[in-house]
Amino acid sequence: GESVGLHLPTLSVQEGDNSIINCAYSNSASDYFIWYKQESGKGPQFIIDIRSNMDKRQGQRVTVLLNKTVKHLSLQIAATQPGDSAVYFCAENANFNKFYFGSGTKLNVKP
Amino acid sequence: GAVVSQHPSWVICKSGTSVKIECRSLDFQATTMFWYRQFPKQSLMLMATSNEGSKATYEQGVEKDKFLINHASLTLSTLTVTSAHPEDSSFYICSARRQSPNYEQYFGPGTRLTVT
Repeated sequence: GESVGLHLPTLSVQEGDNSIINCAYSNSASDYFIWYKQESGKGPQFIIDIRSNMDKRQGQRVTVLLNKTVKHLSLQIAATQPGDSAVYFCAENANFNKFYFGSGTKLNVKP
Repeated sequence: GAVVSQHPSWVICKSGTSVKIECRSLDFQATTMFWYRQFPKQSLMLMATSNEGSKATYEQGVEKDKFLINHASLTLSTLTVTSAHPEDSSFYICSARRQSPNYEQYFGPGTRLTVT
């Protein structure tokens, strides 16, 4: 499958701080990306998506940035809360709507 | 939002037996569903793409005779793990894609399979 990887396997932040989770992808033809949150023992939960014709997209407390030049995207979480603690995956849309997932970053929010 | 369910949520079976896992889209129709496997502390690995009314397409390295997929209706896909072995123990997750051009996929809650 496609190669989608993350720079930081574990990220610890203080409650209230902003979090930035990074992801690199390998297929320059990919045109759609999604960030998912997965809590222990549960399926992935959609957070935010972005298409390749955009550089930035904002949601509620979350922002995704896409840099196609270096094939990199990031997820920014503002005012991180304990409930944000989970594993975050980026997923790359590659060919016929199949998604390939990155290795994941575990976010620990310290109270 | 769209809801996808899986049944059962967890199952324990003996080595050599077969196990069927169901994936249903509850409030939308899905011509395409996907099956993933996730080992502890690892990412989701795409196993196969399930297409309504046609054969599933499998990712490289996934045994199609071992992981049987049936997508008989627009709201149901099943994954059958045949002759299960302990190494098949994993978290199996399905996702369903809406019949729309926006590629949105919705994930089920997953099924924990333990083979003893």
